[in-house]
Amino acid sequence: NAGVTQTPKFRILKIGQSMTLQCAQDMNHNYMYWYRQDPGMGLKLIYYSVGAGITDKGEVPNGYNVSRSTTEDFPLRLELAAPSQTSVYFCASSYKTGGTSMETQYFGPGTRLLVL
Amino acid sequence: GNSVTQMEGPVTLSEEAFLTINCTYTATGYPSLFWYVQYPGEGLQLLLKATKADDKGSNKGFEATYRKETTSFHLEKGSVQVSDSAVYFCALYSGGSNYKLTFGKGTLLTVNP
Repeated sequence: NAGVTQTPKFRILKIGQSMTLQCAQDMNHNYMYWYRQDPGMGLKLIYYSVGAGITDKGEVPNGYNVSRSTTEDFPLRLELAAPSQTSVYFCASSYKTGGTSMETQYFGPGTRLLVL
Repeated sequence: GNSVTQMEGPVTLSEEAFLTINCTYTATGYPSLFWYVQYPGEGLQLLLKATKADDKGSNKGFEATYRKETTSFHLEKGSVQVSDSAVYFCALYSGGSNYKLTFGKGTLLTVNP
């Protein structure tokens, strides 16, 4: 299994440009997440999905959009890039069958984005 | 709201030294606690976890005990190796439908030979 994969690894955007960060997992996980990691800070949740066709906002959703048309893929869209979106973006997935416990989240290698 | 406070880094140790990285938390209810590790150029990996008070999580020689009375989950290892050089994140989950993890800021550990 490849686990969680992310593309691209690094990207430079100009202010106002748009792009999509790709995320895919091959573990048949139902839950998927997007986090951003700013320098010297912990990770903050942007959006999450509990299954295909279902997405919801996390802590810092402004400026981003997501979709989940398949179990495997969870792309993150930036419509009008701003310097404040310079960060490292991590996608994660987990498998949840029921109950209230937190299952292990598996992370991708990250996408480093620089907005100038 | 929930929060996690980690020891400020960076931490630099010599090989075979004893490691402690402090982590304290604020949360409602009875959270689950985690340590994640991020090796250079990679994503985060779960290192260990504990789901209730007095539980001890352990993996790869690392240990952490869930101390509810002091709201702490300190990470320890008796003898570090160069390969342990990484960023370590303490995190908590306190319930809810989004399964959101609250992370600390991370502690960079460098182990010199």
